[in-house]
Amino acid sequence: GQNIDQPTEMTATEGAIVQINCTYQTSGFNGLFWYQQHAGEAPTFLSYNVLDGLEEKGRFSSVLSRSKGYSYLLLKELQMKDSASYLCAVMDSNYQLIWGAGTKLIIKP
Amino acid sequence: IAGITQAPTSQILAAGRRMTLRCTQDMRHNAMYWYRQDLGLGLRLIHYSNTAGTTGKGEVPDGYSVSRANTDDFPLTLASAVPSQTSVYFCASSETGGNSPLHFGNGTRLTVT
Repeated sequence: GQNIDQPTEMTATEGAIVQINCTYQTSGFNGLFWYQQHAGEAPTFLSYNVLDGLEEKGRFSSVLSRSKGYSYLLLKELQMKDSASYLCAVMDSNYQLIWGAGTKLIIKP
Repeated sequence: IAGITQAPTSQILAAGRRMTLRCTQDMRHNAMYWYRQDLGLGLRLIHYSNTAGTTGKGEVPDGYSVSRANTDDFPLTLASAVPSQTSVYFCASSETGGNSPLHFGNGTRLTVT
């Protein structure tokens, strides 16, 4: 079966750095997405990785290792507004998106 | 403002009733999707459409139907609602399908009693 694993919840301090991990087992691989979802709102696109390596967008970075079936999202200089759920999704060989259950990130002052 | 509009925002529905969730986008995206989101689970695809006039079944299609008469509209119909269809429903679109990022509507919170 296809599976995406993420921690259910994480807590971090304002101004710090946090790493959110995602491991996957899918039928083929055509890219990995990260989305942010604030409580009661729609998911919004953060990043896309299809090759091994780093993608940076401001305070957010995403890293992919296809050989390990692993990605992580790195959030720097945390702000209170970063409190949200972070969703990992993998596109399989049929170009279907397989979604993780999301990681709820709680930022404390 | 360009984007996806869903209606209603929320609804309480008696079991056995028929309900259509509306979704309209103005970005001229070819692909559209309906997902449901339940606590502790990842988003699950109900139905999708790669282009106007075509639809396909996702992971959890039973009890739902869709149509795609034009590029902009992608309504989701529950023919006879059951309590297990209580969920938050998100409509999404993407430019071309494949690895294009998804743009989501604000969701419809549906409670079936």
